[in-house]
Amino acid sequence: QKEVEQDPGPLSVPEGAIVSLNCTYSNSAFQYFMWYRQYSRKGPELLMYTYSSGNKEDGRFTAQVDKSSKYISLFIRDSQPSDSATYLCAMSAWDFGNEKLTFGTGTRLTIIP
Amino acid sequence: EPEVTQTPSHQVTQMGQEVILRCVPISNHLYFYWYRQILGQKVEFLVSFYNNEISEKSEIFDDQFSVERPDGSNFTLKIRSTKLEDSAMYFCASSPVLGSSYEQYFGPGTRLTVT
Repeated sequence: QKEVEQDPGPLSVPEGAIVSLNCTYSNSAFQYFMWYRQYSRKGPELLMYTYSSGNKEDGRFTAQVDKSSKYISLFIRDSQPSDSATYLCAMSAWDFGNEKLTFGTGTRLTIIP
Repeated sequence: EPEVTQTPSHQVTQMGQEVILRCVPISNHLYFYWYRQILGQKVEFLVSFYNNEISEKSEIFDDQFSVERPDGSNFTLKIRSTKLEDSAMYFCASSPVLGSSYEQYFGPGTRLTVT
């Protein structure tokens, strides 16, 4: 079983729709959950992070973590064509000296004008 | 806004040659990383570096790889004898303090092509 699983898509939605992106994981040591956005041939750009379970909102973006189900989500409201990118989930344990991020494969998202 | 920079953006080398990839982390950051992404695959951790020594490394980071912080601003990844399978995007990242794995900022990457 992979440590982090993410549906690669592609996912296409019309402009203005709500987008739901998800990841599942198997490692119960993960405590920090991040979402990155990556444009083609560019570096991952940190969107937001969440510690442990719960929700976090930042503008049009909402991140949710359900540790009991080992399931995380990113919701994008009022999606825009500029949101078209690959979205990567990433996770890490809360452990000094063990700072590495474990990534999902990424979901390619296209917002259709 | 401060950002991580990497040079070169694209490096082409022949198999067996040595390459050095360079990174300038965000200036007040203390923790540095290298990741790679083979085309079409996920981003994979290579190594983390703190206080002038390797903190953690993955199975990928074998004896052919080394990292160095030669001065107060640069952070380098050296591959001693490149193989075809080393072709990938290499990303440098930095975070401000120990324990802030959730706040890693990535550079634009260096695309390494080994022929």
